[in-house]
Amino acid sequence: AQKVTQAQTEISVVEKEDVTLDCVYETRDTTYYLFWYKQPPSGELVFLIRRNSFDEQNEISGRYSWNFQKSTSSFNFTITASQVVDSAVYFCALKDQAGTALIFGKGTTLSVSS
Amino acid sequence: GAVVSQHPSRVICKSGTSVKIECRSLDFQATTMFWYRQFPKQSLMLMATSNEGSKATYEQGVEKDKFLINHASLTLSTLTVTSAHPEDSSFYICSARDSGGGDEQYFGPGTRLTVT
Repeated sequence: AQKVTQAQTEISVVEKEDVTLDCVYETRDTTYYLFWYKQPPSGELVFLIRRNSFDEQNEISGRYSWNFQKSTSSFNFTITASQVVDSAVYFCALKDQAGTALIFGKGTTLSVSS
Repeated sequence: GAVVSQHPSRVICKSGTSVKIECRSLDFQATTMFWYRQFPKQSLMLMATSNEGSKATYEQGVEKDKFLINHASLTLSTLTVTSAHPEDSSFYICSARDSGGGDEQYFGPGTRLTVT
């Protein structure tokens, strides 16, 4: 069965701190996709990244970086030099079989204070 | 980029009434759309998969007679909450799968339903 676990329910940091959000997934498929979304208070999901299971290269986009490790079934997300605007709920999600819906983790609420 | 709209963005209705939520893919065709529900401080839970021209597939525990889904065209799926109750108050989000290939899915902005 597919499953996404985000063990951190809430994280609080002070501006400029680095923070890592953990994501562990389970799937039997060899082909799958992993996602991270940001959900600000408005509710609209903001797409951050999509990675397929065959691409284990880490990715960096500005202050954001992602570490994908198939050996530990993890897809962790790091925000460097956090800012107040990073405060939101972050969801990790998994999609395996073609044409199916995304399976979401429970989300991590990140609060960044000034 | 691909855009999915939802209408209305917010709706308040009285208990016992029905409310319809629309999900539209604006610049691509979507033979498949997904409906999620999100209760406060919880995750998104898949309610049903909507396929154009056929019956929707509901997840376990979701009442198909209460949550009516119609996917009558390649760009529109509707979710009707019938005989709404306060416990149906939630954030409803749809996503649309681009039929043009790549299996990309795009999320709508969500509809906040409050049943009084």
